[in-house]
Amino acid sequence: EAGVTQFPSHSVIEKGQTVTLRCDPISGHDNLYWYRRVMGKEIKFLLHFVKESKQDESGMPNNRFLAERTGGTYSTLKVQPAELEDSGVYFCASSRERGLYGYTFGSGTRLTVV
Amino acid sequence: AQSVTQLDSQVPVFEEAPVELRCNYSSSVSVYLFWYVQYPNQGLQLLLKYLSGSTLVKGINGFEAEFNKSQTSFHLRKPSVHISDTAEYFCAVSDMNRDDKIIFGKGTRLHILP
Repeated sequence: EAGVTQFPSHSVIEKGQTVTLRCDPISGHDNLYWYRRVMGKEIKFLLHFVKESKQDESGMPNNRFLAERTGGTYSTLKVQPAELEDSGVYFCASSRERGLYGYTFGSGTRLTVV
Repeated sequence: AQSVTQLDSQVPVFEEAPVELRCNYSSSVSVYLFWYVQYPNQGLQLLLKYLSGSTLVKGINGFEAEFNKSQTSFHLRKPSVHISDTAEYFCAVSDMNRDDKIIFGKGTRLHILP
């Protein structure tokens, strides 16, 4: 089966611009997660979708971040406007069952805000 | 709240030597434990996981980890490393009685010396 696909793989934008990251989960996986790793720190949870519904968005840093999963398939994560501290690697993951048994991660999107 | 401590940020090891990457977690409540690996320019890959049963867990690429509940540890070991094991390794935990978040440690970079 195809894995979790994320694009772009890299994005460099200026402060104040908007960026949209996309994640295509494994087909049939209802659970989709976004995580982020800021330079030198832990990988941290952002949010969790079950199908098209947000199950938990407690990790979203502020209202400049908007995640959607229309139709319960792919998901987008929009950052508007981007700030310097948003730089990092954004990972998407999916799972068929409850994610606490472990996820399948994508390769990540490296976002650099200059 | 759960936390994961990886005591070593970097571990240099000679090729064919054994290695142990240390991991401790914060709570003795029922948890699931994971080791993920990120090879250069790739995404996160599940190396192994402990859900229940035998405390010695075997994973891919010859790695194994031992769950020690009394010491709240889940150290990763390999008896003989290869240059291809060069990667960053992340210990992670989820609370089986709570949500689907996985809490990650800061990661340990394994450097294999020729």
